[in-house]
Amino acid sequence: DTGVSQNPRHKITKRGQNVTFRCDPISEHNRLYWYRQTLGQGPEFLTYFQNEAQLEKSRLLSDRFSAERPKGSFSTLEIQRTEQGDSAMYLCASSLTGRAYGYTFGSGTRLTVV
Amino acid sequence: DAKTTQPNSMESNEEEPVHLPCNHSTISGTDYIHWYRQLPSQGPEYVIHGLTSNVNNRMASLAIAEDRKSSTLILHRATLRDAAVYYCILRDVPGNQFYFGTGTSLTVIP
Repeated sequence: DTGVSQNPRHKITKRGQNVTFRCDPISEHNRLYWYRQTLGQGPEFLTYFQNEAQLEKSRLLSDRFSAERPKGSFSTLEIQRTEQGDSAMYLCASSLTGRAYGYTFGSGTRLTVV
Repeated sequence: DAKTTQPNSMESNEEEPVHLPCNHSTISGTDYIHWYRQLPSQGPEYVIHGLTSNVNNRMASLAIAEDRKSSTLILHRATLRDAAVYYCILRDVPGNQFYFGTGTSLTVIP
C-alpha cells in the first residue's frame, strides 16, 4: 500500500470557479477525514466519513463545500464558487475506527484562488 | 473537547536529545495522547501515541505523567530532518476526530 494519495497536489483557480479534489485512502481504513490548513495554523477539521456515511461536518464546511465517499472507497471534496478565503492546503487522512488508532495523512492539495 | 498546550517554538542542537512538553490538564480517562509532526509542505506524520504507560518506538519515546495531565515527546538524538512542527493531540469521544492546535515548531541547529 502506498499510503493516502491526494490529487491534484496544486490547484490554481479563478474566484467563482468550482474545484474538486480527490483522496484515495489506505484500502483497509474505514474512516476518512478532510482537514483544511492555512499558513501558520494547525489543520482544522472539516468532515469525516465512516465507510460511505458522512458522520460529522464542521461549521467551517459552508454550503459551498460538499464531500462524498461513494462506496466507501475514494472521496471527493468539491468547492463551488470559490473565494479567495478558500485558499489553503486541503488534507485528507484515513484511519481505522477507535481512539487507539492514528491517522495517515496524504500530502495535501494546495489551493490558490486568484 | 480536552485541549492541549504546547510552547510555540523550541530549539535543539543536532545530535542532542529533545524534550517537547505538552500540558493537557482536562484530559479524560479514556483519551489517548497522540503526537504528530509536520514537515514543510507535507501532511502531518504520525509519531507516537499512548494512554497511560510510557511508549517507545523507532522514532521517539512518549513519557506520560502519572496523573496524565502532561506528557513529553522525547527525540533521543535530534537530526536536521527532525525540524518540524510537532502537535500533541487528544483523541476524544465521541467525535474521534483530532483537533490540532498550533503545535511546537522545532528548530534543529547544526
